[in-house]
Amino acid sequence: KQEVTQIPAALSVPEGENLVLNCSFTDSAIYNLQWFRQDPGKGLTSLLLIQSSQREQTSGRLNASLDKSSGRSTLYIAASQPGDSATYLCAALDSNYQLIWGAGTKLIIKP
Amino acid sequence: DTAVSQTPKYLVTQMGNDKSIKCEQNLGHDTMYWYKQDSKKFLKIMFSYNNKELIINETVPNRFSPKSPDKAHLNLHINSLELGDSAVYFCASSQDKQRGWLADTQYFGPGTRLTVL
Repeated sequence: KQEVTQIPAALSVPEGENLVLNCSFTDSAIYNLQWFRQDPGKGLTSLLLIQSSQREQTSGRLNASLDKSSGRSTLYIAASQPGDSATYLCAALDSNYQLIWGAGTKLIIKP
Repeated sequence: DTAVSQTPKYLVTQMGNDKSIKCEQNLGHDTMYWYKQDSKKFLKIMFSYNNKELIINETVPNRFSPKSPDKAHLNLHINSLELGDSAVYFCASSQDKQRGWLADTQYFGPGTRLTVL
């Protein structure tokens, strides 16, 4: 059964730093992996989607990588800003076409 | 011009009541979903509809019944509400190139915080 884990559960860094959020999954048989951010009262926003055949996707200051063999994905945020503060969730589409979610990493960017 | 909208945003009600949460998407997507976010922030899929047809029906109490009048709407009706139903419920949609598959990016609504007293 696919399980998705995100470490750390919370992270606090000063503004301007580059940072990496981690996501691991137990079954490498996935179709894609998505990263979302969740803002209180604003729901979920899709950030990046990486298909199983891809290694990475980039959008602005965000870069997501996927290594299926090791069961890992990372979300790299460059030059962090206070507006990046949110909970970041990863979700893997498994072989049964179920979207399996991690519990999220709560990110706080200190001004 | 909100892509996926949910109403109400907050819902406070007594145990035993029946309530509905509405969801609408104006993206022209074929598939819509309902998720429940638990206290640990895990999002668990409850239902998925593709072109008004039920595709995914996870193990949820039969007190929960989705209704899709057209492919732009997926409403969630809950009968005999219980304390354990308190959670944030998210609606989502995706384009889906193939019938019923969650292969595309999902777009989420803002969530409905349900509190059962």
